[in-house]
Parts: sequence; structure tokens; C-alpha cells
Amino acid sequence: EAGVTQSPTHLIKTRGQQVTLRCSPISGHTSVYWYQQALGLGLQFLLWYDEGEERNRGNFPPRFSGRQFPNYSSELNVNALELEDSALYLCASSRDRLHLIPQHFGDGTRLSIL
Amino acid sequence: GENVEQHPSTLSVQEGDSAVIKCTYSDSASNYFPWYKQELGKGPQLIIDIRSNVGEKKDQRIAVTLNKTAKHFSLHITETQPEDSAVYFCAAYTGGFKTIFGAGTRLFVKA
Repeated sequence: EAGVTQSPTHLIKTRGQQVTLRCSPISGHTSVYWYQQALGLGLQFLLWYDEGEERNRGNFPPRFSGRQFPNYSSELNVNALELEDSALYLCASSRDRLHLIPQHFGDGTRLSIL
Repeated sequence: GENVEQHPSTLSVQEGDSAVIKCTYSDSASNYFPWYKQELGKGPQLIIDIRSNVGEKKDQRIAVTLNKTAKHFSLHITETQPEDSAVYFCAAYTGGFKTIFGAGTRLFVKA
């Protein structure tokens, strides 16, 4: 069984640009979570999608957004990039809403803002 | 707001010794406490979890304990091995499918 896959693995952008990160959950999983992991910090909850809908979001500004597609894959979009957006962005999936926590994480997209 | 504090930030043990990582949570409504292990260059991996109606749970060399009154929970690793070296995160489920993570503990197991 393939795990959670994220693309790209690394990305370099400059301030003010926009970026789109992609995530494919484990086959059959309908819930997708996004987390930001800044250097030396824990994981900060960004967004949760289930069955194509945004169900909850963390304390991040509106320039962080995303969506979930009918095949349950997901995109995270970040507009007007700032230096402090440099971080590892992790996607996780769970089988369904009965599983309350992110069960399986991808290896992340490392975003560097210059 | 919701917060999970984790200590220590770094832990170094000799192979074969035990390692203990402690976490404290602030939201008394939290009822589910997972632990994750993150190896270098990888995403976190769920290794064990405990629900609020249970005081202790074991899985081979790892165990978790929960004290709801004090709002703290701990991860215990016995007979540590070099492959246990990683960053460990505690977390607390706070409702609304929102899981709050601690800042992580970097565990070094010296051979």
C-alpha cells in the first residue's frame, strides 16, 4: 500500500510569490490534514479536509488556503509568501472522520523563502 | 488557548537504558493523546496513543501513562536501541478534528 505522497519535496520561492503544494492520501482515506513545521518547532495545525469540504482550520491568515478534490487528493495554496513561511509542510491522512487524529504523514515539502 | 508543553527538548541515553518524555496539556476537554516518532527527513509516524478513559497502555518496549487530574501524560521507552534515535512528539486531540502537538523531544541513543 502506497503511503501519503507529497510534491514537490523541495521548493524555493521569493517573498510575495505564491505556491501550491500537493498531497495524495493513502488509497481509501477521505480525511486530509495539513501541518506546518517550522525549524525547531512542533507541528502547527493548518487545515483539515474531509469528503471534499474544509472542516476546520488553524490560526493562520487567509492567505493559507486549500482544497480537496473528488479523488481526495489535496492542495495547499499560500499567497503573498513571507520569510516566516519557510518551513516543512506536512500532509497527513486518515481513513475517515471516525479516526480523530492524523494517522499517516507524508515526508513533507520543504519550502524556503528567500 | 490550547497548548501542549513537552519536556525535555533533548534527551541523551545509553543503549539499553530507559527514556521518559513528559507532556502537559491545557485543555481539560482533551480526550485522546497520540505520540509520533519523526526520523530524519521523514514525516511523523504514529507509534502509540491513549484515550482518556485509560491510565496506561503498553506496546512492546513503549508505554504511555496518563494522569487526567494533573493533565499530563508520558512516553516511556525501555531497553533503548540506536534505532530509537529520533524526534518524538506528543499531541492532544482537542475536538473539531484538531490535534495540538508539543514542540518535540530529540532523543539520542548512544551505542
